[in-house]
Amino acid sequence: DTGVSQDPRHKITKRGQNVTFRCDPISEHNRLYWYRQTLGQGPEFLTYFQNEAQLEKSRLLSDRFSAERPKGSFSTLEIQRTEQGDSAMYLCASSLGTSWHEQYFGPGTRLTVT
Amino acid sequence: DQQVKQNSPSLSVQEGRISILNCDYTNSMFDYFLWYKKYPAEGPTFLISISSIKDKNEDGRFTVFLNKSAKHLSLHIVPSQPGDSAVYFCAPISTGANSKLTFGKGITLSVRP
Repeated sequence: DTGVSQDPRHKITKRGQNVTFRCDPISEHNRLYWYRQTLGQGPEFLTYFQNEAQLEKSRLLSDRFSAERPKGSFSTLEIQRTEQGDSAMYLCASSLGTSWHEQYFGPGTRLTVT
Repeated sequence: DQQVKQNSPSLSVQEGRISILNCDYTNSMFDYFLWYKKYPAEGPTFLISISSIKDKNEDGRFTVFLNKSAKHLSLHIVPSQPGDSAVYFCAPISTGANSKLTFGKGITLSVRP
């Protein structure tokens, strides 16, 4: 399967703990995006990378959030000192430079902060 | 400020009939419009798109219509099938500004056998 993969699929953590999620995009895709979806809402943009460069961050991405894409391939999203309001589905998507507007999503990581 | 509105949270249609899902937007900078379909516990799946220079795009059973002056688009599915039951998101993008999709809240479509 050459689609976007995310790991883990589910994460339960206690408030105050740090968590890290991984996303592996479609191999030839040079753009990678992170979105967050809460119940009853559509996905909301968090940040995106072109190759290894992080080009834009949403104001939703507080200082507790950090994303990296060190070699322009996989990406990680870390949340420090988690809060209950961080509970959501975290979605990763990738796209190809020639048709970058068509973004292909992974299955998501569901985070529950207790 | 909600830039993308999908005002009907749900729609139920009979198998074989037409499903019409509507979307309104406010940002005139949007110039490309995508529809995504989402099943529970899965990520959104790209369905069909339309550029702002067109008013219609068709792909099999799916057709998207765009009315730029009204800032309105619609997705038509005909004939509807039970496997089409899912949440449908309208997601415009401004290709000149940045590459983020701006999603509506989604419409839950149920197709009755």
